Amino acid sequence: RKEVEQDPGPFNVPEGATVAFNCTYSNSASQSFFWYRQDCRKEPKLLMSVYSSGNEDGRFTAQLNRASQYISLLIRDSKLSDSATYLCVVNTNAGKSTFGDGTTLTVKP
Amino acid sequence: GAVVSQHPSRVICKSGTSVKIECRSLDFQATTMFWYRQFPKQSLMLMATSNEGSKATYEQGVEKDKFLINHASLTLSTLTVTSAHPEDSSFYICSATTGGLSQETQYFGPGTRLLVL
Repeated sequence: RKEVEQDPGPFNVPEGATVAFNCTYSNSASQSFFWYRQDCRKEPKLLMSVYSSGNEDGRFTAQLNRASQYISLLIRDSKLSDSATYLCVVNTNAGKSTFGDGTTLTVKP
Repeated sequence: GAVVSQHPSRVICKSGTSVKIECRSLDFQATTMFWYRQFPKQSLMLMATSNEGSKATYEQGVEKDKFLINHASLTLSTLTVTSAHPEDSSFYICSATTGGLSQETQYFGPGTRLLVL
């Protein structure tokens, strides 16, 4: 079993749709959690950190459930520019980052 | 946000040659830099963790004699792929942490595409 598992995707949605991505992690000692966005043939860029209380940044909402070892990302009112691969990242207290395989989102007109 | 650069952005070389990739933190001091490799349609795989002034820590399965890492200063880490072969062709990405409360956030370089013929 992989340490970090994401929805396989791909997700193809129309503009304006709401889409949710899920991620589970196996290491209960994981300390911090992030969502990154990676465009085709580019480096990953931090989208947002994920906190137990949940956090929101505009159209993006991230949630963490430590008991279930589960992270989610919700995108509301999808834009064409949201098309990318979304990577779930989990850090241990040793500072090691483990990346999920990513979920590809395509937003269509 | 913090800026990380990589050089070169793309390199094509013959099998058997060595290739050096530089990773620089431009506006902050990076005590720790990470080197990743990404094959097409796969996620980033951590190769090694590089700490300034000390030997790099390699992940299981990564040959330290083949992938030489030098972190000579707080703003520069280099990865040398020695005697490169076609199977080493990949997208190599470095990242750096800023330290302090933001230590866990990684800032990635733009990546280096290596093609070994």
